[in-house]
Amino acid sequence: GIQVEQSPPDLILQEGANSTLRCNFSDSVNNLQWFHQNPWGQLINLFYIPSGTKQNGRLSATTVATERYSLLYISSSQTTDSGVYFCAVEFQSNYQLIWGAGTKLIIKP
Amino acid sequence: DVKVTQSSRYLVKRTGEKVFLECVQDMDHENMFWYRQDPGLGLRLIYFSYDVKMKEKGDIPEGYSVSREKKERFSLILESASTNQTSMYLCASSSAVRGEASYEQYFGPGTRLTVT
Repeated sequence: GIQVEQSPPDLILQEGANSTLRCNFSDSVNNLQWFHQNPWGQLINLFYIPSGTKQNGRLSATTVATERYSLLYISSSQTTDSGVYFCAVEFQSNYQLIWGAGTKLIIKP
Repeated sequence: DVKVTQSSRYLVKRTGEKVFLECVQDMDHENMFWYRQDPGLGLRLIYFSYDVKMKEKGDIPEGYSVSREKKERFSLILESASTNQTSMYLCASSSAVRGEASYEQYFGPGTRLTVT
């Protein structure tokens, strides 16, 4: 069946470290988004990236659609980067996203 | 900036009560969504609306209904709340006009509902 798998499930890093989060998906996609959920529960869009590479400050993302994976890079981590990072994918043209289980990131000062 | 607001951040209700959760977006988006989020299960879609008075069931519609009488407002209704509906409820909206920006879903702050 359709699947979205994220790894690792948990990640604990010191402030200043770099990290790579991975999202594997089981079929071709119309839409792939990365979200950050802060400790208060608010979900924030990070990237819309069904293919290619994008950068926004210390964050960047790459999706290799032919190999069915996406990577989110966080450089020079700050404590405010803590939270849960979700990958969500639209497989069919129906606007509905299938969500991964998330990667919980803790950045220690 | 897209703004999606939800009527309450925290709500406590008793078993059997009728519960209304309201969501309002200010970007003239056609699509609106209700999700619930539970620990270890991620986000699961309850209902989706692609136009006024139009709705589609998501993955877990049982025990819920929705109402969309105006484009900007999407309500989630728990007809008779039960303890297993204790959860975080998240509303989102997106444009239906196909183009890069349209795919993005924008979320409200969430409502943490406790049913006792």
